[in-house]
Amino acid sequence: DIQMTQSPSTLSASVGDRVTITCRASQSISSWLAWYQQKPGKAPKLLIYKASSLESGVPSRFSGSGSGTEFTLTISSLQPDDFATYYCQQYEAYPLTFGGGTKVEIK
Amino acid sequence: EVQLLESGGGSVHPGGSLRLSCVASGFTFSSYAMSWVRQAPGKGLEWVSGFRDSGGTTSYADSVKGRFTISRDNSKNTLYLQMNSLRAEDTAIYYCAKVIVTGNSLFDYWGRGALVTVAS
Repeated sequence: DIQMTQSPSTLSASVGDRVTITCRASQSISSWLAWYQQKPGKAPKLLIYKASSLESGVPSRFSGSGSGTEFTLTISSLQPDDFATYYCQQYEAYPLTFGGGTKVEIK
Repeated sequence: EVQLLESGGGSVHPGGSLRLSCVASGFTFSSYAMSWVRQAPGKGLEWVSGFRDSGGTTSYADSVKGRFTISRDNSKNTLYLQMNSLRAEDTAIYYCAKVIVTGNSLFDYWGRGALVTVAS
């Protein structure tokens, strides 16, 4: 199985900060990586697919990069609505696997 | 508008069974692969089971293989998850999720989830 490791697990930041979350795969997944945002009590929301493609309707302050085994999600200027937990997911192979999550908290 | 509505959750004793349903609307259900993803209380996301394609090929996480069975009824636009031999560690919110396009197994729509509690 492909293991996905996210870091950090928790991140404290202020509105307006640039935030970067890292996701590492245990083997190459090419660009078959998605990022989701989840708020408490809600289902996950797709932000990024194929490592760097922005899902329709997602603000342009979100961006993704990387390929192979190392990926990043960047929020260029953190907004109040962005405080949430973020997950990466590989879809190179079954079983599909998610990272452990990164909680973005208010500093 | 795409909607996914799960039902069938509840409380069950260890060793018991439950069947979850997910009724889909707003898209051509038969054309899309679908999956179940769960989230234990306070924990991260775990993919449980899914159809790899619209043709019926299924996959399971090792943690549920042999105990859970995924199925679908395209005439009813419904996805199912039959869960047998339930364990305490199966306690979670179970989400039904639609694949963005068959062949790329990431999820663009999710249901609100169904809570399954396994406890004695």
